[in-house]
Amino acid sequence: DAKTTQPPSMDCAEGRAANLPCNHSTISGNEYVYWYRQIHSQGPQYIIHGLKNNETNEMASLIITEDRKSSTLILPHATLRDTAVYYCIEGDYKLSFGAGTTVTVRA
Amino acid sequence: NAGVTQTPKFQVLKTGQSMTLQCAQDMNHNSMYWYRQDPGMGLRLIYYSASEGTTDKGEVPNGYNVSRLNKREFSLRLESAAPSQTSVYFCASSVTHLAGGELFFGEGSRLTVL
Repeated sequence: DAKTTQPPSMDCAEGRAANLPCNHSTISGNEYVYWYRQIHSQGPQYIIHGLKNNETNEMASLIITEDRKSSTLILPHATLRDTAVYYCIEGDYKLSFGAGTTVTVRA
Repeated sequence: NAGVTQTPKFQVLKTGQSMTLQCAQDMNHNSMYWYRQDPGMGLRLIYYSASEGTTDKGEVPNGYNVSRLNKREFSLRLESAAPSQTSVYFCASSVTHLAGGELFFGEGSRLTVL
């Protein structure tokens, strides 16, 4: 079973930042936090990952709390093409995906 | 760039039939994975291969066998298909099995068992 907790759905306005929360209270010291997304029924797409520090790439930013029990994925300027299911995963390399958060970006 | 290629994309089987899902990657990755995704659910790991010549069970291995044919190819076999195996199957690969690696997924194989 997935070990993270995410809200089942959220809406976001186009052009605004989307902040996606995730709780991973059972994460161990050597496990990463990963974020993937799945558009329609395509294969999941990697977004970002982190261990302890905040991370940023061309797609998103990842903010991890100091105790590592929760994190937030930030999509800085959401577009309609960001509508997808977003998965937050804790683990090493044997990753299993929970139900995720269905994000709907509205014009 | 092909990335991860899965065949077939769609398949319908009768209960008890066998079949093999094929997966190939052209990124020279060492590690490969098979996942299944049931309707409205997330992905669960079936088997993985950390490197050529090795395979290990994931979260839901029962009813499946795998073969890492070479570095490029990783196949998933259903010996006696059951309706509970109706699902979308995704193959993925990564440079290494070590933590912190990015998984690259194929487009999925949609299997229906009647």
